[in-house]
Amino acid sequence: EVQLVESGGGLVQPGRSLKLSCAASGFTFSNYYMAWVRQAPKKGLEWVATISTSGSRTYYPDSVKGRFTISRDNAKSSLYLQMNSLKSEDTATYYCAREGMNFDYWGQGVMVTVSS
Amino acid sequence: DIQMTQSPSFLSASVGERVTLSCRASQNINKYLDWYQQKLGEAPKLLIYNTNNLHTGIPSRFSGSGSGTDYTLTISSLQPEDVATYFCLQRNSWPRTFGAGTKLELK
Repeated sequence: EVQLVESGGGLVQPGRSLKLSCAASGFTFSNYYMAWVRQAPKKGLEWVATISTSGSRTYYPDSVKGRFTISRDNAKSSLYLQMNSLKSEDTATYYCAREGMNFDYWGQGVMVTVSS
Repeated sequence: DIQMTQSPSFLSASVGERVTLSCRASQNINKYLDWYQQKLGEAPKLLIYNTNNLHTGIPSRFSGSGSGTDYTLTISSLQPEDVATYFCLQRNSWPRTFGAGTKLELK
């Protein structure tokens, strides 16, 4: 059974950093692209980042480019999202997702609140 | 960036009714269009990928169609468990972009 479990969320002040983790199981992690998708409270979904199987290629929207870094450790079947220079508009639930030909499996999400 | 416009934003329908949700892209997305269902308090779930391919375990009352810029999700006979918000996603180009969603409720 595919499982994705996010951790690392919480309350953080504007301008500070936070690192999210996603532990994967139930599939060969190194064979899949992985992604982060977020959802602000009562809002829609926003794709945040994607990483290739080896980690050599990463993709971001302009809204987080230069502030967020996606990475992975295939030996640990883990995905990460380093978030720097956080803004209030980054407040959201962050989902880890497996990206095959689509986002076919999602974690339960972790909440990040950026507030002073 | 490709803009995805979903309509309607809100839909109320009866059990057993045929329901159609629409998604329009600002440019041709070559059928790289997925549909996701999100129930209240849950993570999104993949329903349909590449316009018309049903994801594993999804009931056959769900179907998708479309091409170019216009795509449709159809529920042939609405069930109570289909109450949710439905999002479309284009994967034709970076950045990946979602529609704003259609909230489906029971009449």
